[in-house]
Amino acid sequence: QVQLVQSGAEVKKPGSSVKVSCKASGGTFSSYTISWVRQAPGQGLEWMGRIIPILGIANYAQKFQGRVTITADKSTSTAYMELSSLRSEDTAVYYCAGQQYAFDIWGQGTMVTVSS
Amino acid sequence: DIQMTQSPSSLSASVGDRVTITCRASQSISSYLNWYQQKPGKAPKLLIYAASSLQSGVPSRFSGSGSGTDFTLTISSLQPEDFATYYCQQSYSTPPIFGQGTRLEIK
Repeated sequence: QVQLVQSGAEVKKPGSSVKVSCKASGGTFSSYTISWVRQAPGQGLEWMGRIIPILGIANYAQKFQGRVTITADKSTSTAYMELSSLRSEDTAVYYCAGQQYAFDIWGQGTMVTVSS
Repeated sequence: DIQMTQSPSSLSASVGDRVTITCRASQSISSYLNWYQQKPGKAPKLLIYAASSLQSGVPSRFSGSGSGTDFTLTISSLQPEDFATYYCQQSYSTPPIFGQGTRLEIK
């Protein structure tokens, strides 16, 4: 069974960038599409974008176009999400999720705090 | 974008109760509807996919139904571990929008 393990919590200054990783273990990374979903404190779930690792093709939610970049390294079964021009409203838990039928498997989440 | 609306936003119930949560899509999504459970401080967990298919390992007291625009998640007999927030999500088109969530609390 594939498990997704994310990198640790980050504290960033406004205007900077953050890069979060999501490493798959225990199975075939390439059988999943990897999405990134974020959740601001006390709020719901917001999809940011996805990548098909075997193709390296990514697409993004319109809200994040130009600010988010999702990549994948097949050799290490790791996906990455980089968000730039950070502002306080980007403070959230960021999840990676592996999709076959739905968002079948999830990483444990990475807290990103944006504060001056 | 397809909008997803859940009702109620919150719900109080007792152990053993039968509970139903509703999700409505702003346009037809066929059966491309999934349900998740999220407990505080934890990642969401897939319960139901394709409107009515039970994810492996999920107890059979959870069931889903519906197609088109109207969907329901039913918990037949609430257990203490079921108190959580539930989200629906459409996988018919991009972006895959989630409902706003239903918080299920102990009465």
